[in-house]
Amino acid sequence: NAGVTQTPKFQVLKTGQSMTLQCAQDMNHNSMYWYRQDPGMGLRLIYYSASEGTTDKGEVPNGYNVSRLNKREFSLRLESAAPSQTSVYFCASSEMGTYNEQFFGPGTRLTVL
Amino acid sequence: QKEVEQNSGPLSVPEGAIASLNCTYSDRGSQSFFWYRQYSGKSPELIMFIYSNGDKEDGRFTAQLNKASQYVSLLIRDSQPSDSATYLCAVNNYGQNFVFGPGTRLSVLP
Repeated sequence: NAGVTQTPKFQVLKTGQSMTLQCAQDMNHNSMYWYRQDPGMGLRLIYYSASEGTTDKGEVPNGYNVSRLNKREFSLRLESAAPSQTSVYFCASSEMGTYNEQFFGPGTRLTVL
Repeated sequence: QKEVEQNSGPLSVPEGAIASLNCTYSDRGSQSFFWYRQYSGKSPELIMFIYSNGDKEDGRFTAQLNKASQYVSLLIRDSQPSDSATYLCAVNNYGQNFVFGPGTRLSVLP
């Protein structure tokens, strides 16, 4: 049981380049999430997918797009990277509902020059 | 905007002491509350959750919830150097979204 996996672990981009962060979970969870974490700001929700086929914006969606490819996979795309998107990105998954914890992947450390 | 607030710290306690971490939240409709521990360079991992007013104990950890005061805390008894980490408070409102606080950095001194 791998839990939540993310690729890549590290990435350096130049301003204007694009890339896709991949996330997969093997816990059969319905809900998946993308967060970014910046120093002193905790985790901020970018996008989430309550179930396969649905996606919704979180607190900081600008500059990002997502795809819920199937129940297991949820990808995050940066179309034109900016230095302000330098951050650590975490994917998480959970069962639907108020009382279920989120399980986190190992994170992707992204630097945009 | 729903908010979750924590003292950023660092909170320093000697080994063997009780560490007290606090969290306040703004949305009175919040229903479930989670404490995550995050070591430097790692992802958050769940320590405890609490849904009802009062105390919940799990080993050296006790979570306390007071919905009237919109306050949740985490006590760590017999603190160890391995407890040194950032502790994130998370609040779940209406089923779908978690709102995380900025985290409190705890340092346990040998």
